[in-house]
Amino acid sequence: GDSVTQMEGPVTLSEEAFLTINCTYTATGYPSLFWYVQYPGEGLQLLLKATKADDKGSNKGFEATYRKETTSFHLEKGSVQVSDSAVYFCALSDWRGSTLGRLYFGRGTQLTVWP
Amino acid sequence: EAGVTQSPTHLIKTRGQQATLRCSPISGHTSVYWYQQALGLGLQFLLWYDEGEERNRGNFPPRFSGRQFPNYSSELNVNALELEDSALYLCASSTRDRGLVAGTYNEQFFGPGTRLTVL
Repeated sequence: GDSVTQMEGPVTLSEEAFLTINCTYTATGYPSLFWYVQYPGEGLQLLLKATKADDKGSNKGFEATYRKETTSFHLEKGSVQVSDSAVYFCALSDWRGSTLGRLYFGRGTQLTVWP
Repeated sequence: EAGVTQSPTHLIKTRGQQATLRCSPISGHTSVYWYQQALGLGLQFLLWYDEGEERNRGNFPPRFSGRQFPNYSSELNVNALELEDSALYLCASSTRDRGLVAGTYNEQFFGPGTRLTVL
């Protein structure tokens, strides 16, 4: 079945450091891929998305490229800020049959950025 | 534009009781989704409602049920509460494209969640 695997956290970085959070997926169809972010005490917010192979999603300095050959959707940011501290979730949607309506999430990666 | 709202923010129950959680979608959204975020288990899909009908269900026992009202708001009911039901319950909403085909999606917008604690 469909699933998402993302790197275990927590990740601790200094401000302005480079960030990579790895995400790989398993799907039998042609999924759309997402990164969600959850700030403390809040719900999930969509950070970026990609709907087909080789698409690059980007938002707020974050980027991720949909790589079908490696079934990956790694999240990157060139220079993190303290305000980026949050939990990041990789997710996929494979809108067909029994998977209709559902998002499959990775376990989440806690990012802490120190000034 | 108001986002997805959920109530209550926190709910404390004892084992064996019933819990009712509520969700109001974004205006114009007809689909409502429920997810459970339990410690150590990540985010798990519970239910999807659209136009008042249950469209899909995750791998949860029947004591997890819900409904969607004519105004598209939704309730999640958990009967015979168990300790392991303690979790953050997230509701999301989206539009529903009647011509939806495989490979497409409608973005799900999430609410802040209800924290359920079972003692």
